[in-house]
Amino acid sequence: SAVISQKPSRDICQRGTSLTIQCQVDSQVTMMFWYRQQPGQSLTLIATANQGSEATYESGFVIDKFPISRPNLTFSTLTVSNMSPEDSSIYLCSVAWQDPAGELFFGEGSRLTVL
Amino acid sequence: GENVEQHPSTLSVQEGDSAVIKCTYSDSASNYFPWYKQELGKRPQLIIDIRSNVGEKKDQRIAVTLNKTAKHFSLHITETQPEDSAVYFCAARKMNYGGSQGNLIFGKGTKLSVKP
Repeated sequence: SAVISQKPSRDICQRGTSLTIQCQVDSQVTMMFWYRQQPGQSLTLIATANQGSEATYESGFVIDKFPISRPNLTFSTLTVSNMSPEDSSIYLCSVAWQDPAGELFFGEGSRLTVL
Repeated sequence: GENVEQHPSTLSVQEGDSAVIKCTYSDSASNYFPWYKQELGKRPQLIIDIRSNVGEKKDQRIAVTLNKTAKHFSLHITETQPEDSAVYFCAARKMNYGGSQGNLIFGKGTKLSVKP
């Protein structure tokens, strides 16, 4: 398993601003992902954070809105840009090791409220 | 792409009864099926998983069954306790070409309430 730390754990932001969420893992991991969980909803994959290269985004998510960095094997950031109330959600960092079917571990999440 | 359907969306049982949650998936290439439990305000945590080379797996009061032909899998919780109350998510994933991990696609979740 892994200890996954996310910062901030929660924040209240104004419309039009941007917020960067950090994810730190206590060991090197192969795969890092960012998920969104809207209130009372399921988990939706935003993108796969690729170390040293551009993230791979899922349908409906774009780099301009959700820029992602992953400078090394233990750290990633997700920025939510030009926020609107519709971006109010929990953002979850998750990690897995390269394995034929490796377990996915989640961070505690960052609860974002946009006013 | 993969699509995972989960039923029911809510489930209420009496303590000591069994609970069953069912999921279907669309992509026959999917070969890994985890179940996550998410308590209120907490992160999702894996409780059990099954790979496509087995039909059933059990861990104490929790079991998962897989029917590859019908493309459905189920979570069974026996002797339910109030602390089993949570939202349960099923998920499915396939191997991408070359052996790298595919993306995990989640069902919409089942809110389980266990009444004392």
